[in-house]
Amino acid sequence: EDQVTQSPEALRLQEGESSSLNCSYTVSGLRGLFWYRQDPGKGPEFLFTLYSAGEEKEKERLKATLTKKESFLHITAPKPEDSATYLCAVQAWDDKIIFGKGTRLHILP
Amino acid sequence: GAVVSQHPSWVICKSGTSVKIECRSLDFQATTMFWYRQFPKQSLMLMATSNEGSKATYEQGVEKDKFLINHASLTLSTLTVTSAHPEDSSFYICSAIFRSLSGNTIYFGEGSWLTVV
Repeated sequence: EDQVTQSPEALRLQEGESSSLNCSYTVSGLRGLFWYRQDPGKGPEFLFTLYSAGEEKEKERLKATLTKKESFLHITAPKPEDSATYLCAVQAWDDKIIFGKGTRLHILP
Repeated sequence: GAVVSQHPSWVICKSGTSVKIECRSLDFQATTMFWYRQFPKQSLMLMATSNEGSKATYEQGVEKDKFLINHASLTLSTLTVTSAHPEDSSFYICSAIFRSLSGNTIYFGEGSWLTVV
């Protein structure tokens, strides 16, 4: 069964305290793994797409990596404005998108 | 860049009436769009997959006669909540697949808040 599991469910960090969010997945034929940021009451904002194991992408304080079983979203020296829910999703061979439940990140000033 | 737009952003309707939400892909054609529902502090729940020119594929437990989906063009999918009830109040989000030679990306609309009174 295709499945996406994100951990931790919630994470509180001090400003400047780097950490990583995990996204473990099992899917039949991975076409892509996506990371999104979602603020309350808004639609998810696209961050990254990763297509193959070993791939890495960076954007400002965020860096996403991918292996055959999981993806990490590394946050370096986070700021309060990085507080949001981060969603991971995978696209299976049949185009179906499976979402994780998200990690609620709270950065304390 | 590729953008997905939803309209309206929020709507209030009376119980028993129908309401339509539009999802448009801007600057790209989307043969496949998705409709989600999200309750507060919960993740996205896929309701249906909308394919241009064919019937939508609904997830288990989603009433196809209540949530009518039409994908009549390559840039527009609509979700109509028929005979709305207060329990249908929720945040509805659409997404579209942007296909390019380098791979696929899923873009989301801004979401539509539906309140049924």
